[in-house]
Amino acid sequence: DQQVKQNSPSLSVQEGRISILNCDYTNSMFDYFLWYKKYPAEGPTFLISISSIKDKNEDGRFTVFLNKSAKHLSLHIVPSQPGDSAVYFCAALYSGAGSYQLTFGKGTKLSVIP
Amino acid sequence: DVKVTQSSRYLVKRTGEKVFLECVQDMDHENMFWYRQDPGLGLRLIYFSYDVKMKEKGDIPEGYSVSREKKERFSLILESASTNQTSMYLCASSWALPGFRETQYFGPGTRLLVL
Repeated sequence: DQQVKQNSPSLSVQEGRISILNCDYTNSMFDYFLWYKKYPAEGPTFLISISSIKDKNEDGRFTVFLNKSAKHLSLHIVPSQPGDSAVYFCAALYSGAGSYQLTFGKGTKLSVIP
Repeated sequence: DVKVTQSSRYLVKRTGEKVFLECVQDMDHENMFWYRQDPGLGLRLIYFSYDVKMKEKGDIPEGYSVSREKKERFSLILESASTNQTSMYLCASSWALPGFRETQYFGPGTRLLVL
């Protein structure tokens, strides 16, 4: 059973516009969420994260929104740039006593068109 | 800058061979992880280690084992490689400190082809 879902395998956006990448999760025990960005032939790099006690975290052009009641988070990139073209992975973490579970979604490939 | 290195970028092995994938990090991280990435399946955790000589199974440990004899080095071992283990293998590491351990730093990946 997939606990972290990125239902859009790909997304195309015009340069300068907003990119919105979505992620849904099913396990209410997840308490921390992360976004990673991956270019071809490279390992993923950490982009931005949010704790479950917050509903928004912003870092420059990147903002992550968390809706706990809907078990949904989204990554907004404004304005989108061609260098943002990559695969974006959503990840959810549960780290209770003696337990550590970090689950990744399947990824969304973002293409920013110049 | 955190650096996570993997011993090979590309590897070709035959079915039944024993395969070692090595990962080294230079930031004194306590936690180290091995994932595989397959098209349409995202990143799946194979094993992780939170201390020297400690290991924990991830989501798909079958067919793999790991070794962590030194803090900076985490090895993934395919005891008898099979074609369904053809994949991109990614190593990651992180601090164990609260607030930091959630951020994993990844190596460049090893693309393994098993013939």
